Amino acid sequence: ETGVTQTPRHLVMGMTNKKSLKCEQHLGHNAMYWYKQSAKKPLELMFVYNFKEQTENNSVPSRFSPECPNSSHLFLHLHTLQPEDSALYLCASSHRLRRLAGEETQYFGPGTRLLVL
Amino acid sequence: AQKITQTQPGMFVQEKEAVTLDCTYDTSDPSYGLFWYKQPSSGEMIFLIYQGSYDQQNATEGRYSLNFQKARKSANLVISASQLGDSAMYFCAMRVQETSGSRLTFGEGTQLTVNP
Repeated sequence: ETGVTQTPRHLVMGMTNKKSLKCEQHLGHNAMYWYKQSAKKPLELMFVYNFKEQTENNSVPSRFSPECPNSSHLFLHLHTLQPEDSALYLCASSHRLRRLAGEETQYFGPGTRLLVL
Repeated sequence: AQKITQTQPGMFVQEKEAVTLDCTYDTSDPSYGLFWYKQPSSGEMIFLIYQGSYDQQNATEGRYSLNFQKARKSANLVISASQLGDSAMYFCAMRVQETSGSRLTFGEGTQLTVNP
């Protein structure tokens, strides 16, 4: 497999369920990201991991819990979600060059379409 | 604060014609990068083209070119010879450097429809 993969592609869950989204990158990158894309809204950055360490939590509710066991894998654990959490969740990765920030291109996975009932 | 503005919610173009998608940005940081992504209905964000704030020439990638006007803070995407497969949502994004790393800020997107 190449690029960034995400599973599952679609997920329907009840508000009391617990589920996890998985992201895997095969690009040799050292930074990974979770974004939320709701209808008619710009992409919202949720979490950033650099070298497996979380460096940014963009005021995300605690019902979303990220995990980054290594630089190739990123998880988003979901529990007691609300209907307004229904959205497309996109994972991305990039290579932190520690130089000019503009040179870090993020590559995205296909996303997980989440519906919370 | 950084901001990206895409003023065209929807654009239509005839197949084989060129189209320009507008993007303006706002930042006080002298070092930044500008990106364009394409998002088909399948959902995947596909990287198209990149322009660095210090780049002297406009970026080009095949049928895509970026009209970078630094003084006007605009970074419009030009698609030449449009194809039906170009129909998608297009997002302009900007990356600036922060102490905790770099952040990508997206615009609201432009829905492009290519008519046969």
